[in-house]
Amino acid sequence: DIQMTQSPSTLSASVGDRVTITCRASQSISSWLAWYQQKPGKAPKLLIYDVSSLESGVPSRFSGSGSGTEFTLTISSLQPDDFATYYCQQYNSYSWTFGPGTKVEIK
Amino acid sequence: QVQLVDSGGGVVQPGRSLRLSCAASGFIFNTYGMHWVRQAPGKGLEWVAIIWYDGSKEYYADSVKGRFTISRDNSKNTLYLQMNSLRAEDTAVYYCAKGEYNYYLDYWGQGTLVTVSS
Repeated sequence: DIQMTQSPSTLSASVGDRVTITCRASQSISSWLAWYQQKPGKAPKLLIYDVSSLESGVPSRFSGSGSGTEFTLTISSLQPDDFATYYCQQYNSYSWTFGPGTKVEIK
Repeated sequence: QVQLVDSGGGVVQPGRSLRLSCAASGFIFNTYGMHWVRQAPGKGLEWVAIIWYDGSKEYYADSVKGRFTISRDNSKNTLYLQMNSLRAEDTAVYYCAKGEYNYYLDYWGQGTLVTVSS
């Protein structure tokens, strides 16, 4: 099965900062990569799918990029509502896997 | 609007069974694959299972294979997760989620907590 890693595990940042989270797969997953945001006590919310496609209603400050085994989620200017935990998720050959998560905290 | 309502969680003893339900509305249920995802207390997300839109295929995480069964009743717009031989490590919030192209999860239920404890 494909394993996913994320870095960093925790990130401290200020409002207005540019933030980048990295997700790595143990083997190539083509473009089957999505990103989710989760706030405490709430269900995850889809942000990005197909590596870089923004889900409807998601602010344009979120963007995704990458290919093969390395992918990034970027928040161009961190807003108060963005403090949360972010997960990447891959699909390959009838296997679905989430990364361990990156918590974005207030600096 | 799409709505998924999870139910059926509770406290259960190790080795016992529990069935979760997910009532769907706001979309054509019988045209989408559906997932279950769980989250142990203070931990990350773990994908559990998927069922094809017509119930013809199911896939499971290794951690639940042989113990859990995903099913659906398209006439009732409802997804199920039958959990047998429950273990302490199955303690988690369980979310149902609508699949898009059977790959990413675009809508989620609110989750239902399952606690396995004697």
